[in-house]
Amino acid sequence: QKEVEQDPGPLSVPEGAIVSLNCTYSNSAFQYFMWYRQYSRKGPELLMYTYSSGNKEDGRFTAQVDKSSKYISLFIRDSQPSDSATYLCATTTSGTYKYIFGTGTRLKVLA
Amino acid sequence: SAVISQKPSRDICQRGTSLTIQCQVDSQVTMMFWYRQQPGQSLTLIATANQGSEATYESGFVIDKFPISRPNLTFSTLTVSNMSPEDSSIYLCSVALASSGNTIYFGEGSWLTVV
Repeated sequence: QKEVEQDPGPLSVPEGAIVSLNCTYSNSAFQYFMWYRQYSRKGPELLMYTYSSGNKEDGRFTAQVDKSSKYISLFIRDSQPSDSATYLCATTTSGTYKYIFGTGTRLKVLA
Repeated sequence: SAVISQKPSRDICQRGTSLTIQCQVDSQVTMMFWYRQQPGQSLTLIATANQGSEATYESGFVIDKFPISRPNLTFSTLTVSNMSPEDSSIYLCSVALASSGNTIYFGEGSWLTVV
């Protein structure tokens, strides 16, 4: 079993839709959770960073962590064609920068 | 965040040759890392580049294949030695900023194709 599982997609949605991207993880010691956006032929760009459980909102993006079910989500409201990219989840334990990444979900927002 | 520049951005290399990738950061950083992103796979940490000492390699990666230098707090290089087609990948430089908690930031990546 991989430490972090992520559906590779692709996920196609119409412009304006609410997008839900998800990851599951296996290690209950993971404390820090990140979402990165990666456009084609670019490096990953940090979108959201969450510590432990709960929600965090930044503009159209909401990150949610449910440690009881080991499930992390990224919601994108009012999705735009410019949101078309691969979204990577990542997690690590406290005191280390050794992040474990999901394989990424490819999102396509259709105009 | 920080501005992280990588060179080359992409290259096509012959089998058996070596290529050195450079990473330059616009501010001093304590922690620098090198990742690999193979097609269809997740990012994998190759090593932590330690300033003034040997890099710390992750399981499955060795210094002979991926020698790393870090002469100061803003610069590092990764060499991919004796390349084979299996080394075709994106190589990413990453840094952790003391001001940004546990977060890490990435450069634009170096896309290597080995033929």
